[in-house]
Amino acid sequence: IQMTQSPSSLSASVGSRVTITCRASQYITNYLAWYQQKPGKVPKLLIKAASTLQSGVPSRFSGSGSGTEFTLTISSLQPDDVATYYCQKYNSAPLTFGGGTKVEIK
Amino acid sequence: QVHLVESGGGVVQPGKSLRLSCEGSEFTFNNHGIHWVRQAPGKGLEWVAVISYGGNSKHYADSVKGRFTISRDSSKNTVYLQMNTLRPEDTGVYYCAKPDREGDHDRPFDLWGQGTPVTVSS
Repeated sequence: IQMTQSPSSLSASVGSRVTITCRASQYITNYLAWYQQKPGKVPKLLIKAASTLQSGVPSRFSGSGSGTEFTLTISSLQPDDVATYYCQKYNSAPLTFGGGTKVEIK
Repeated sequence: QVHLVESGGGVVQPGKSLRLSCEGSEFTFNNHGIHWVRQAPGKGLEWVAVISYGGNSKHYADSVKGRFTISRDSSKNTVYLQMNTLRPEDTGVYYCAKPDREGDHDRPFDLWGQGTPVTVSS
């Protein structure tokens, strides 16, 4: 199963709404996670089961979707959100990651 | 505090071998499957391999199948990644990661180590 993210990068203003899309080449129900990786840091789990926010993650992050199409939304972009975001399917091995979306501040 | 610590990375010539270690502490390490994920310089995350909590189930990415072997030593709370016949494209930071639930290794990762760098170059 291939995981395709779009866009590969984006630049948006502080306070704006940002949406990242992840498409699976096959049906994966809701076995989809999102990670945030800040420059020079280890990836951090944001969302699992497509829409369940991990403990401690700000509520401006949300996830949706099922089957083959999923989205990660940042409702109000903050400077601390500058990072690369990855989706990952985990229904079965291989636990493939998407190619990543780099988010910057305009 | 729960954590994972990788070690064993370094610079190695193409065709040579290297063994990475991942030691866990402050959680029930032996009740969790453990994954390896790598990241080439400036590139994205690539899932590499997983071993189940009991060690009897192992899976590999196609890119490393037949060259890499994952194993674990329960007495040492450690998972290993034996990397043979290394190629320049194996260069990157190697992370071990823990699934968020005991017993099921097909789960998202809620704990990552800091990574160990591997460089394959002549």
